[in-house]
Amino acid sequence: NAGVTQTPKFHILKTGQSMTLQCAQDMNHGYLSWYRQDPGMGLRRIHYSVAAGITDKGEVPDGYNVSRSNTEDFPLRLESAAPSQTSVYFCASSYSKGGADYGYTFGSGTRLTVV
Amino acid sequence: GDSVTQMEGPVTLSEEACLTINCTYTATGYPSLFWYVQYPGEGLQLLLKATKADDKGSNKGFEATYRKETTSFHLEKGSVQVSDSAVYFCALSDGNQFYFGTGTSLTVIP
Repeated sequence: NAGVTQTPKFHILKTGQSMTLQCAQDMNHGYLSWYRQDPGMGLRRIHYSVAAGITDKGEVPDGYNVSRSNTEDFPLRLESAAPSQTSVYFCASSYSKGGADYGYTFGSGTRLTVV
Repeated sequence: GDSVTQMEGPVTLSEEACLTINCTYTATGYPSLFWYVQYPGEGLQLLLKATKADDKGSNKGFEATYRKETTSFHLEKGSVQVSDSAVYFCALSDGNQFYFGTGTSLTVIP
């Protein structure tokens, strides 16, 4: 099925370890973004990309890195995980940067626990 | 800056009851408005949208009307079902990025 695929679905990480959350879309969307979802805080954007080779910071970028080498993939890397990064992470895509026309398509999420 | 405020939950209703989840927004321009639904353990799914004033979005029995004069986009359904139990997010796009509300949890009991 066309859409946004995120892996893994669940992961437990120790403080200080690194890991990469994967995001892949097959809808030829130009815009990709990463959000984290925390109780009572809604969704906050971490990083985003409007095209391959172009990335920018969102609202809460500290502790996260991204890269975009092609249209399909947008991995999110945690270099040295902290307990404050325990969250549910969502990748979202759209045709346009703001998604004002068709909205965003979300992946099913990665639930990350940092102990 | 732009923002979205939606009613806090949780909301608990009996099956076949009427639902209204309030959403108001603040925006400097003419945003597009959306409702998303999140079922347990899943990502957000687009429920409905409206891109200009007085537009009505509808899907699966849910409706919301873009009211510019009251800056509102309230979600309504005439008769809820157990399967509607989920978290509902109001959101707006100013063409540059999305702004989400904090979500309203709905539980429908038989």
